[in-house]
Amino acid sequence: DAKTTQPPSMDCAEGRAANLPCNHSTISGNEYVYWYRQIHSQGPQYIIHGLKNNETNEMASLIITEDRKSSTLILPHATLRDTAVYYCIAQPGGNAGNMLTFGGGTRLMVKP
Amino acid sequence: ETGVTQTPRHLVMGMTNKKSLKCEQHLGHNAMYWYKQSAKKPLELMFVYNFKEQTENNSVPSRFSPECPNSSHLFLHLHTLQPEDSALYLCASSQGDRGHETQYFGPGTRLLVL
Repeated sequence: DAKTTQPPSMDCAEGRAANLPCNHSTISGNEYVYWYRQIHSQGPQYIIHGLKNNETNEMASLIITEDRKSSTLILPHATLRDTAVYYCIAQPGGNAGNMLTFGGGTRLMVKP
Repeated sequence: ETGVTQTPRHLVMGMTNKKSLKCEQHLGHNAMYWYKQSAKKPLELMFVYNFKEQTENNSVPSRFSPECPNSSHLFLHLHTLQPEDSALYLCASSQGDRGHETQYFGPGTRLLVL
């Protein structure tokens, strides 16, 4: 599985966009980029995923570079409830697709 | 509410006790997982079950014993644990019949071993 690299922490002002970067320079062609977040002492929560194209849902947008070596998760209008640890994971397709390897993630602090 | 429930939410046990953690999913999924999250460490995958068959044991000590009687229920039986086993134990489920899949996590059981 490709290793992902994320900054350990970031701050964001409430109401502003939060842009969380992730590097996955060794990602292979069949690996999807998944984002989860974990609010303190709760189970991780799925946010969004993508392969090549940019994706958007009601929670966030995912921008994947053309070479797929990095991506950015965008929370368009961060609220205090978005304070959490955000995990970027390269998840393979095929039979190994249900193996998730979590790294340290980015601790996002949204401040009033 | 993710459709995955875990009981108990908190557990304190001595090193000689035997206890079990329970996970139930109401999503019609066929794959279930146990993860361990120790303080200041990333989540670690422990076990994977697909269609009730164990497909992954991530070098977990034998004092942890999983059981999957059906696709909706998953147990983690604990015996003679060590204080370093104190952690948040998370259960997750996914569809189980595709390649990459979204996993849905329960709230976890916070375990303290004295």
